[in-house]
Amino acid sequence: GAGVSQSPRYKVAKRGQDVALRCDPISGHVSLFWYQQALGQGPEFLTYFQNEAQLDKSGLPSDRFFAERPEGSVSTLKIQRTQQEDSAVYLCASSLARSGDEQYFGPGTRLTVT
Amino acid sequence: GENVEQHPSTLSVQEGDSAVIKCTYSDSASNYFPWYKQELGKRPQLIIDIRSNVGEKKDQRIAVTLNKTAKHFSLHITETQPEDSAVYFCAATLNNAGNMLTFGGGTRLMVKP
Repeated sequence: GAGVSQSPRYKVAKRGQDVALRCDPISGHVSLFWYQQALGQGPEFLTYFQNEAQLDKSGLPSDRFFAERPEGSVSTLKIQRTQQEDSAVYLCASSLARSGDEQYFGPGTRLTVT
Repeated sequence: GENVEQHPSTLSVQEGDSAVIKCTYSDSASNYFPWYKQELGKRPQLIIDIRSNVGEKKDQRIAVTLNKTAKHFSLHITETQPEDSAVYFCAATLNNAGNMLTFGGGTRLMVKP
């Protein structure tokens, strides 16, 4: 079946622009996570949804970052007034159950802020 | 919160040799430890995981060991092949709802033919 998909795969933004990154999780997956992966580093947690509820946003680096999942499926990560330090790969992952389970990752969106 | 350290950061082996990657974690409550393989420009893919109720798990050429007392776990790849070349990440989490993964810094494995 289809895995986690993300779009766009690549995004170049000028400093100060707003961007929106989309994640389509595996159908039926309850949990959805966003991670940020800087070059040469491991992914770092940003935020977590259980269905449409955002239960943890402790990893969002600033109030310029906002995520939503209004119908409990597709999620959007929005970054306002992008800065150069926002350049990274943004990974989305989903898992089936409410409790602990394997997380399946999407291919990521590589954001470059110039 | 959880902190995961991973060593080495790079590892070069000859085809057919074994490779070992080690991780330590800080939160004794963590009970789920997955390993992901990430090829250049690709998504992280789960290759093996272990839960805290077992000490070792094997899947063909890949094995993972866990020492809960010492809070460290290791990935062992035997008979390495060039296609094993990738970046490997360990992770740790408390296996409950909303269990974000805390990742190590990654190990770039290069298998020379």
